[in-house]
Amino acid sequence: NAGVTQTPKFQVLKTGQSMTLQCAQDMNHNSMYWYRQDPGMGLRLIYYSASEGTTDKGEVPNGYNVSRLNKREFSLRLESAAPSQTSVYFCASRPLGGAGKNIQYFGAGTRLSVL
Amino acid sequence: AQSVTQPDIHITVSEGASLELRCNYSYGATPYLFWYVQSPGQGLQLLLKYFSGDTLVQGIKGFEAEFKRSQSSFNLRKPSVHWSDAAEYFCAVGGNTGTASKLTFGTGTRLQVTL
Repeated sequence: NAGVTQTPKFQVLKTGQSMTLQCAQDMNHNSMYWYRQDPGMGLRLIYYSASEGTTDKGEVPNGYNVSRLNKREFSLRLESAAPSQTSVYFCASRPLGGAGKNIQYFGAGTRLSVL
Repeated sequence: AQSVTQPDIHITVSEGASLELRCNYSYGATPYLFWYVQSPGQGLQLLLKYFSGDTLVQGIKGFEAEFKRSQSSFNLRKPSVHWSDAAEYFCAVGGNTGTASKLTFGTGTRLQVTL
């Protein structure tokens, strides 16, 4: 019962490098989300995908792009990393119905440092 | 716009003492309210949720929360804290608006438990 799986768990980048954070869920959930967590700021929504084939900006989308590859996978791309993107990134998913409706389930996070 | 305020950044309690973590929200309609817990280096785990009905909700690990519409509050309580409860706690608000049901998180309260 994997739930929401994020890879990698840790990453160090140099300024200007690019990378893609991967997220996959095996719960057949419709909606998926990317957040960043910074000290004293809680979690802030970067992008979300209400359903397969759709993506929308959240609160802090600048510097990021996303792809909803299929129902299971939702990736976050940093095209040119900046030190301000040093953060912990969380992916979450949410079912459309059932007992877990309206509950977001989180992955373990990716800790990213940009030097 | 929806928002969440957690006025206490850091709280220290003795093991066995009672606990109350404060959460105030702003939301234009009937809110869905959540408390999540995050242990160091881990993802977020749902403690409890309020959607409708009984305003006193029970969660996992002996936690409960009370929804008070008149005070726009959803405070988390536990009668007797255990050392393993040391973690960071996040309150979140959202709603079933459209299919996305985005959440807005508070900045978190870090709980320290002394023996």
